[in-house]
Amino acid sequence: DTAVSQTPKYLVTQMGNDKSIKCEQNLGHDTMYWYKQDSKKFLKIMFSYNNKELIINETVPNRFSPKSPDKAHLNLHINSLELGDSAVYFCASTYSGANVLTFGAGSRLTVL
Amino acid sequence: TQLLEQSPQFLSIQEGENLTVYCNSSSVFSSLQWYRQEPGEGPVLLVTVVTGGEVKKLKRLTFQFGDARKDSSLHITAAQPGDTGLYLCAGQGGSQGNLIFGKGTKLSVKP
Repeated sequence: DTAVSQTPKYLVTQMGNDKSIKCEQNLGHDTMYWYKQDSKKFLKIMFSYNNKELIINETVPNRFSPKSPDKAHLNLHINSLELGDSAVYFCASTYSGANVLTFGAGSRLTVL
Repeated sequence: TQLLEQSPQFLSIQEGENLTVYCNSSSVFSSLQWYRQEPGEGPVLLVTVVTGGEVKKLKRLTFQFGDARKDSSLHITAAQPGDTGLYLCAGQGGSQGNLIFGKGTKLSVKP
């Protein structure tokens, strides 16, 4: 059983389009994250949700809108995609206060 | 926000060699974690070090937390091709206490 699963794994799209990435965890964790890993492999936090509530928003453009329908799911919607949005996006989860993350396999977004 | 500097950025060695990679900061961390990321996968936790001066061993991997809790090292003995990957250190130090990551050391072990 996959603990943190993301879909799709690969996404190729044109500039200006809108796309979504979905994440689900079956670990019973109450906190979920989105991280962005750029071409130099730097992992930077974007958002964190605890029990469906947004607790961290790290100065990400408002074209990025996370949504957490329940504590097991955290989706990421991106409007008006730009070339600089090309990256690998990782979903992760943990128990609040634990700070040890379980990551998904990543979703590679390529904007042409 | 605290920063974690990792060195070297890249390391390419032959199977059987030993190596050490470093994670340094000017700030004190309550704990540091090491993750390994393989191509096409997400990072996977290897170890958490909590006490200053602590040494933890995981088979051929030895992790050390500095006495002042500002730095950590990872030593691999007799490296194998399966050790190839990106090694990331992480600590709790973001603007809201979230986990922050270093930029990683990309290790390649050739047979």
